[in-house]
Amino acid sequence: NAGVTQTPKFRILKIGQSMTLQCAQDMNHNYMYWYRQDPGMGLKLIYYSVGAGITDKGEVPNGYNVSRSTTEDFPLRLELAAPSQTSVYFCASSTGTAISNYGYTFGSGTRLTVV
Amino acid sequence: AQKITQTQPGMFVQEKEAVTLDCTYDTSDQSYGLFWYKQPSSGEMIFLIYQGSYDEQNATEGRYSLNFQKARKSANLVISASQLGDSAMYFCAMREGGSNYKLTFGKGTLLTVNP
Repeated sequence: NAGVTQTPKFRILKIGQSMTLQCAQDMNHNYMYWYRQDPGMGLKLIYYSVGAGITDKGEVPNGYNVSRSTTEDFPLRLELAAPSQTSVYFCASSTGTAISNYGYTFGSGTRLTVV
Repeated sequence: AQKITQTQPGMFVQEKEAVTLDCTYDTSDQSYGLFWYKQPSSGEMIFLIYQGSYDEQNATEGRYSLNFQKARKSANLVISASQLGDSAMYFCAMREGGSNYKLTFGKGTLLTVNP
């Protein structure tokens, strides 16, 4: 099925460990985003990309890194995990055009707990 | 200043009644878009409705309508004939012109539909 695929769905990390959250889309969208959602809060932008090879910081980038080597994939790297990074992470993509209301599509999320 | 403000942390409505969820926004752009998303307890983000800043008519999608008052910078979601399945978190979001199509989210409103 077309859409945004995130893996894993759940993960428990120990403080100081690292991991990569995977995100892939098969809609040929240029724009991709990583958001985090803390309990009872809205989504905050971590990083985004406007195309392969181009990434930029969002509102809350500290402690994270991204890369965009292909149009399809936009992995999010956590280095030295901290309890403050306990959150639900959403990857999203967009066409960047007004057709179909910009085509924003969200993945199903990754629930990360850092202990 | 908050770009998206949702002042109702929680709302209750009786089944089959209509409910309005408030959203105000802050932008100096002339071109922008407003979105509403539903997040059920399962966690996925479900697109409900979109309003462009140049759209002259209020957007409607089935039982959802967006009451867009540009001068007041408000974009309230109206759900008619509430159903038990409408119980969820609802987020208002904005895409600003020239923002690389990033979405800024409000903190959300938790809607509970009572039988």
